[in-house]
Amino acid sequence: AQSVTQLDSQVPVFEEAPVELRCNYSSSVSVYLFWYVQYPNQGLQLLLKYLSGSTLVKGINGFEAEFNKSQTSFHLRKPSVHISDTAEYFCAVIKNAGGTSYGKLTFGQGTILTVHP
Amino acid sequence: GAGVSQSPSNKVTEKGKDVELRCDPISGHTALYWYRQSLGQGLEFLIYFQGNSAPDKSGLPSDRFSAERTGGSVSTLTIQRTQQEDSAVYLCASTYSGQGYEQYFGPGTRLTVT
Repeated sequence: AQSVTQLDSQVPVFEEAPVELRCNYSSSVSVYLFWYVQYPNQGLQLLLKYLSGSTLVKGINGFEAEFNKSQTSFHLRKPSVHISDTAEYFCAVIKNAGGTSYGKLTFGQGTILTVHP
Repeated sequence: GAGVSQSPSNKVTEKGKDVELRCDPISGHTALYWYRQSLGQGLEFLIYFQGNSAPDKSGLPSDRFSAERTGGSVSTLTIQRTQQEDSAVYLCASTYSGQGYEQYFGPGTRLTVT
């Protein structure tokens, strides 16, 4: 089974400051990693994903994340946040079943990012 | 193009009543997922359908929960004899082969059991 831990339930920051949202995972098998964002009263939107290759992945809205296999982490970063980045962010994993593009997501508990002016 | 749609957007029901929640996936998407989002449990997988394969029901919390997918498209999640702990936002997602595991989510149905 897989599990995901998001180390901060809430992260307040000021506009234009950098931010890091932390995510650690546990799995006995290889996994793929994702960050999703949820704006108020909306569904989830994919920010970025790591499947293979370079461990630094870039996503939408200026976000990036680094996969660290030895530390089983996938922290999300943005060098300068905007008010519009205020949302809840979810880290998630899918078991690498090999040869398919399907699988159930296991989510962390979410981190609420609040950007203050 | 059109995204994943869900109906109703909000549903209030009395304890003990049955409810049906509907999901229309993106056209051509072969896999469809249901998740539940609640304050106490976060985001949990419920069930997923992939093509003509038997669905993965491993996340359904009790036998009061069931789901169908007709014609490989629309899906209905049914909760029988609703309980207050069923109150949550029910999210549907879809994807297709070659999409690199990206799941496209609908806006959800907020279920309140009184």
